[in-house]
Amino acid sequence: GENVEQHPSTLSVQEGDSAVIKCTYSDSASNYFPWYKQELGKGPQLIIDIRSNVGEKKDQRIAVTLNKTAKHFSLHITETQPEDSAVYFCAASSDTDKLIFGTGTRLQVFP
Amino acid sequence: DTGVSQDPRHKITKRGQNVTFRCDPISEHNRLYWYRQTLGQGPEFLTYFQNEAQLEKSRLLSDRFSAERPKGSFSTLEIQRTEQGDSAMYLCASPSRDLVGELFFGEGSRLTVL
Repeated sequence: GENVEQHPSTLSVQEGDSAVIKCTYSDSASNYFPWYKQELGKGPQLIIDIRSNVGEKKDQRIAVTLNKTAKHFSLHITETQPEDSAVYFCAASSDTDKLIFGTGTRLQVFP
Repeated sequence: DTGVSQDPRHKITKRGQNVTFRCDPISEHNRLYWYRQTLGQGPEFLTYFQNEAQLEKSRLLSDRFSAERPKGSFSTLEIQRTEQGDSAMYLCASPSRDLVGELFFGEGSRLTVL
């Protein structure tokens, strides 16, 4: 079955700097790659996603890139703000809603 | 607010007791998912429903766990004879109606087994 690895597990950046989180997946049939943000005590919130027919997608300060050949995808947050501090999860799926999640990255943005 | 409601938000129970969680998904969405999230980990798939039919169950769902969706609307997840290892956040999710893969999660029900 699918296996998703995520790193780093923790990431600390200064406000205004960029943050990059990377994930790799094992199942070449996977074709949907969402990213979730989870704040303390809350459920995961979908923030951006990418499908296998594109290599990059951007939404304001957030972008995701996908390299299907290497089976890895990344989340890029630019101009980080303290409110970006949270745990971020990547996930993968293949033509279903059943997502396989990574182990999460705790991002801390210091003012 | 994703439109997925879960109740209770927090439950503390003693080992051996039964607990039940309820999920009210986004209305008129015929698929519903349950996930479990332990501390420091990503959510793990437990089971999913298409209307009232439970179509897939993870090996994580031991025989002490049972999930139902009696009328194809809300769903319940019951854990019998709870164990300390059951302590986790139980998450319910509704998929997008239009795009395969998009899942919208509720705020979760956090279970602590003493």
